[in-house]
Amino acid sequence: DAGVIQSPRHEVTEMGQEVTLRCKPISGHDYLFWYRQTMMRGLELLIYFNNNVPIDDSGMPEDRFSAKMPNASFSTLKIQPSEPRDSAVYFCASSFLRDTQYFGPGTRLTVL
Amino acid sequence: QQQVKQSPQSLIVQKGGISIINCAYENTAFDYFPWYQQFPGKGPALLIAIRPDVSEKKEGRFTISFNKSAKQFSLHIMDSQPGDSATYFCADHPQGGSEKLVFGKGTKLTVNP
Repeated sequence: DAGVIQSPRHEVTEMGQEVTLRCKPISGHDYLFWYRQTMMRGLELLIYFNNNVPIDDSGMPEDRFSAKMPNASFSTLKIQPSEPRDSAVYFCASSFLRDTQYFGPGTRLTVL
Repeated sequence: QQQVKQSPQSLIVQKGGISIINCAYENTAFDYFPWYQQFPGKGPALLIAIRPDVSEKKEGRFTISFNKSAKQFSLHIMDSQPGDSATYFCADHPQGGSEKLVFGKGTKLTVNP
């Protein structure tokens, strides 16, 4: 298996632009998690899905953030409009039932 | 909000030494405590995990010790190697039965040759 796939790996954008991050979970996994990692706040859970349904979005920082999972093999995290404070590494992770979470390589987002 | 308090923030150890990282948790309805290892530019990866029905788990040079009464668990890395240099995170489920993981702030380990 190729593991969790994220794209793009790096994204540089200007403040106010829309940013879309993509994730392909491991085949057969029924949970998908979006995390944000910064030096100041560490690794934070933003939202997670079970069988494509959002279960807990309490970590989403504000309405500028949205996430979707239209099918079992694809999820997006969108930021609109982006701000410099959104600069971080965004990770997607997937798991089967409540077992180990497997993380993708991350997307490094820089908002100028 | 549920927290997992991890210490130290950074740790420098000589090759062959023992690295010890500690975590304190709040959740009482736990069932699983994982440790993740993250190398620069990579995503975190599960290193070792323990369930509360045992007090210790060992995998190679890595050992988790669990102290239920103190609500603490720790990671010991024996015979630390330069290749162990990474950031280590402990994690806990905030609620029994929840799929969420709350991570500690991380410990950056540097093993000098």
